[in-house]
Amino acid sequence: QKEVEQDPGPLSVPEGAIVSLNCTYSNSAFQYFMWYRQYSRKGPELLMYTYSSGNKEDGRFTAQVDKSSKYISLFIRDSQPSDSATYLCAMSGSFQKLVFGTGTRLLVSP
Amino acid sequence: DGGITQSPKYLFRKEGQNVTLSCEQNLNHDAMYWYRQDPGQGLRLIYYSQIVNDFQKGDIAEGYSVSREKKESFPLTVTSAQKNPTAFYLCASHLAGTGGLGELFFGEGSRLTVL
Repeated sequence: QKEVEQDPGPLSVPEGAIVSLNCTYSNSAFQYFMWYRQYSRKGPELLMYTYSSGNKEDGRFTAQVDKSSKYISLFIRDSQPSDSATYLCAMSGSFQKLVFGTGTRLLVSP
Repeated sequence: DGGITQSPKYLFRKEGQNVTLSCEQNLNHDAMYWYRQDPGQGLRLIYYSQIVNDFQKGDIAEGYSVSREKKESFPLTVTSAQKNPTAFYLCASHLAGTGGLGELFFGEGSRLTVL
């Protein structure tokens, strides 16, 4: 079993939809949770960074962490065609290396 | 502008040849990393370095070598011993000493194809 599981998609939605992206994990030592966005043939860029459980909002993006269920989510409101990309979850414990999910490919159609 | 520069963007090599991928950063970051990305496998850590003249193996170091002679530079050599070198290679960096390692800055990547 992988430490971090993420559905590869693709996930296709119409413009304006609410998107939900998810990851599950098995290592209870993980405390830091990240979402990266990666456009085709580019390096990933950090979208959201959360410590421990709870919600964090930034514009149209909301990150949720439920440590009791070992489940993290990224919600995108009012999705735009420019949101079409691969979304990678990543997580780590203190001073430990990052573990990445495989990424979910999102397609937002106009 | 501060950032990470990887070169070349695309590289084609014949089997059995060593290849060196360049990674330079002007962010004054202490730690640098090399990842490999394959479809369906996410990012896998090859090597990392927390300080000049020191580096550690990641999860898939076999067939790769690195050096860290300068803070700004962390080149990766893909040797002929690497059995399946065709992949997208990503270099990243961050400020060392933080509890969480999440805020990695990535370069644009180098796509290596071995013919």
